[in-house]
Amino acid sequence: GESVGLHLPTLSVQEGDNSIINCAYSNSASDYFIWYKQESGKGPQFIIDIRSNMDKRQGQRVTVLLNKTVKHLSLQIAATQPGDSAVYFCAEKFGGGSNYKLTFGKGTLLTVNP
Amino acid sequence: EAGVTQFPSHSVIEKGQTVTLRCDPISGHDNLYWYRRVMGKEIKFLLHFVKESKQDESGMPNNRFLAERTGGTYSTLKVQPAELEDSGVYFCASSQARANTGELFFGEGSRLTVL
Repeated sequence: GESVGLHLPTLSVQEGDNSIINCAYSNSASDYFIWYKQESGKGPQFIIDIRSNMDKRQGQRVTVLLNKTVKHLSLQIAATQPGDSAVYFCAEKFGGGSNYKLTFGKGTLLTVNP
Repeated sequence: EAGVTQFPSHSVIEKGQTVTLRCDPISGHDNLYWYRRVMGKEIKFLLHFVKESKQDESGMPNNRFLAERTGGTYSTLKVQPAELEDSGVYFCASSQARANTGELFFGEGSRLTVL
């Protein structure tokens, strides 16, 4: 069935440390994955995405890793800052063309301690 | 360019009352989605419009929820009559038709509190 889950519901790190948020997905046919960040009172904001034909993609301070063998996705945040505190959701794409949707996991609450 | 806008930002109603949420997608986006996040849980898909047509409404909880997108522009989501378990944040998102990626652009959400 459709399910995208997370290993850790909460993560607390010290400012300056690196953070790793993990996600397991179930749909082997999904060709696209996204990480979103949701701050309190705001809507989900795009962080980084990756296609299924890649295993790593880097952005500014963030890296997404995709392991299709074990259906695992992770988000790495380098030098975590207080502004990174938020709930992070992974999402996978179901469908194609104009008939597609994203399915989200439960989210991981990241707290950055100064 | 304006992003996805939602109204109201917060609504507090009593059980049995009716509430209508509105979403204005990004101009030119044919895809419009409604999602809901209940406290502490995942963001759940409700339904998907392509222009004015309902493409997928498999996530709609029950027939107390009615979504419309007349003219293929803005959309409304009506809950009638509201129940306690309908409380949560309702997100609207939009995207271009046949976008190269699957990115959805989200609004800030409408928080619904049913007392």
